[in-house]
Amino acid sequence: QQQVKQSPQSLIVQKGGISIINCAYENTAFDYFPWYQQFPGKGPALLIAIRPDVSEKKEGRFTISFNKSAKQFSLHIMDSQPGDSATYFCAASKTYNTDKLIFGTGTRLQVFP
Amino acid sequence: EAGVVQSPRYKIIEKKQPVAFWCNPISGHNTLYWYRQNLGQGPELLIRYENEEAVDDSQLPKDRFSAERLKGVDSTLKIQPAELGDSAVYLCASSPGAGGVSNEQFFGPGTRLTVL
Repeated sequence: QQQVKQSPQSLIVQKGGISIINCAYENTAFDYFPWYQQFPGKGPALLIAIRPDVSEKKEGRFTISFNKSAKQFSLHIMDSQPGDSATYFCAASKTYNTDKLIFGTGTRLQVFP
Repeated sequence: EAGVVQSPRYKIIEKKQPVAFWCNPISGHNTLYWYRQNLGQGPELLIRYENEEAVDDSQLPKDRFSAERLKGVDSTLKIQPAELGDSAVYLCASSPGAGGVSNEQFFGPGTRLTVL
């Protein structure tokens, strides 16, 4: 029940295309769903996050879609750029403020020019 | 503003040797986390501190791992003795804590440990 399942494991997209990464969870107590971006040799950095009271959140080229009934959420990267090439992790936590993050297994995104 | 600082960045040791990692969180952040990230996986929590108190250490292998956060600021994670399976990246993160705007956790660059 603590797992967050993420797919696909890897993704190759052409520049200008749309990248879509999906995650699913089981624990209905999860209350906060962030996406983190990680470049090689760096720690993860928060990209965008959503709470279950909204179904979509958009920040620039990045959008989270959230389906509470299906217990699924996804990251959409519009107009993908080579600089977006990184590993993306979805995560979930039970408490809004300080609880540990349960991470997915990651998606390695490669955007080719 | 400086981010989360970790040292060393890389460490290579032989099995059965001890090793220690150090973390300095963002100034003013009350909550500090140690995560372990195995190759090709997401980070997994080892221990979480609220100020100087360890409030979640259920995933810490206490037979060989120990951690401390003296004065509620810097933290040290120790492994003694190290095993081959401990090879991983050890990430430190911090967040403002209870009462903060969100659960955004700020990660350091990590310490890559290789046990030979």
